[in-house]
Amino acid sequence: AQSVTQPDIHITVSEGASLELRCNYSYGATPYLFWYVQSPGQGLQLLLKYFSGDTLVQGIKGFEAEFKRSQSSFNLRKPSVHWSDAAEYFCAVGINTGTASKLTFGTGTRLQVTL
Amino acid sequence: NAGVMQNPRHLVRRRGQEARLRCSPMKGHSHVYWYRQLPEEGLKFMVYLQKENIIDESGMPKERFSAEFPKEGPSILRIQQVVRGDSAAYFCASPPGGSGANVLTFGAGSRLTVL
Repeated sequence: AQSVTQPDIHITVSEGASLELRCNYSYGATPYLFWYVQSPGQGLQLLLKYFSGDTLVQGIKGFEAEFKRSQSSFNLRKPSVHWSDAAEYFCAVGINTGTASKLTFGTGTRLQVTL
Repeated sequence: NAGVMQNPRHLVRRRGQEARLRCSPMKGHSHVYWYRQLPEEGLKFMVYLQKENIIDESGMPKERFSAEFPKEGPSILRIQQVVRGDSAAYFCASPPGGSGANVLTFGAGSRLTVL
C-alpha cells in the first residue's frame, strides 16, 4: 500500500526567507503526487501536481516542487515566503485504480511565518 | 472551494445522536469522495460514490457509518450513535472533470464535534 511521510510537523521561517517542505512517498509504480494547502478552518486548495513529464513542477502562489524518483521525494519549495503562506501543507499520493482515484495524505506540516 | 458545497459547516452532537453531513459536487458532476481528518492528522479516504452507487467503501468504518448519493439531491454521509472519537472534519471532494480522475476539488468541510 502507498504511504506518505512528511517528517517535519512544524516549521517556522521568517518572512522573505526561502522554504522547503519535505515529502517522501512509498508506492510501487509511478505515483501521482500533489501538494495541498489548508488555512485554518478551511478546506484544501491544490497548490500543484505531478503526473508525468518535467520533474520540476510549478504551482500557484509561487510554489514549486521537484519529483525525485531515486529519493522517492516530492519536496515543496518557495524562494521567498510571505506572511500569508502560514498554513498547513499536505503532500499526497494518488492512485488510479481504474474505477476510483484515492489520495493518501501525509500528516501535514504546519508552517509559521514570523515577521 | 465554491464548486463543491458542504453543509453544515459545523455540527455539534451529543454521544448517541445521529449526524448527517451533506455534499453537493459541482453541477452536473456525479462523482463524490468523502475524506475524514482527525485532529492533528492528514485526511483519510472513506468512500467513493457515483450517483446511486457505492464504488469503493474500503475506508469506511465497519459500523455506524454509511454513505449514499441518490439520483436527486446531495451525497449524504451518515453517522449513527456518534461517539467522541467521531469528532473530526469531514471533507467531500469531486473531480473537476466529473470522472474518476486524480485531481480532486475539496469542499470547505463539515466539522463535527461530539460532546
